[in-house]
Amino acid sequence: DTGVSQDPRHKITKRGQNVTFRCDPISEHNRLYWYRQTLGQGPEFLTYFQNEAQLEKSRLLSDRFSAERPKGSFSTLEIQRTEQGDSAMYLCASSLVATGQETQYFGPGTRLLVL
Amino acid sequence: DAKTTQPNSMESNEEEPVHLPCNHSTISGTDYIHWYRQLPSQGPEYVIHGLTSNVNNRMASLAIAEDRKSSTLILHRATLRDAAVYYCILRGGLSYNTDKLIFGTGTRLQVFP
Repeated sequence: DTGVSQDPRHKITKRGQNVTFRCDPISEHNRLYWYRQTLGQGPEFLTYFQNEAQLEKSRLLSDRFSAERPKGSFSTLEIQRTEQGDSAMYLCASSLVATGQETQYFGPGTRLLVL
Repeated sequence: DAKTTQPNSMESNEEEPVHLPCNHSTISGTDYIHWYRQLPSQGPEYVIHGLTSNVNNRMASLAIAEDRKSSTLILHRATLRDAAVYYCILRGGLSYNTDKLIFGTGTRLQVFP
């Protein structure tokens, strides 16, 4: 399967712990996005990368969140000192941008539960 | 960002056509209309997009009003696999230097056998 993959698919952690999620985009896609989705809501944009450069961060991305995309390939999203409000589905997507209307291909998501 | 308005939910019977409406009265001249859907326990997937003219692909058709203030996603023959949340999203051109997707709450489509 050559789609977007995310690891882990599920994560349960205790409040205050750090967690890290990984996203592997479709090969050769130059843009990678992170979204967060809570129950009953549509996904909300968090941040995106063009190759290895992080070009935009949402105000939702507090200083406890950090994302990286070293070498412009896979990306990691780390949440430090997790809070119960961080419980959500974290979605990764990738695209090959040329005109700005390209399809974003989403992974299956990582579901985080903070106890 | 221009906003879209969709009904919270709709129902259909299998093999019947489904018309999913979307209002976007504040759409700008350069905004494209995109539709994504999210099947249960999956990430969203692209369905179709257009600017002014009606569009067809293997999944669906997109009918865009002449004034572009509304559009309708048409599933010609609904199947049980089409049960999902459908999102209507406006996207600006590349000159906006960002192409993040701004999702609303979408329309939850139920399909009955």
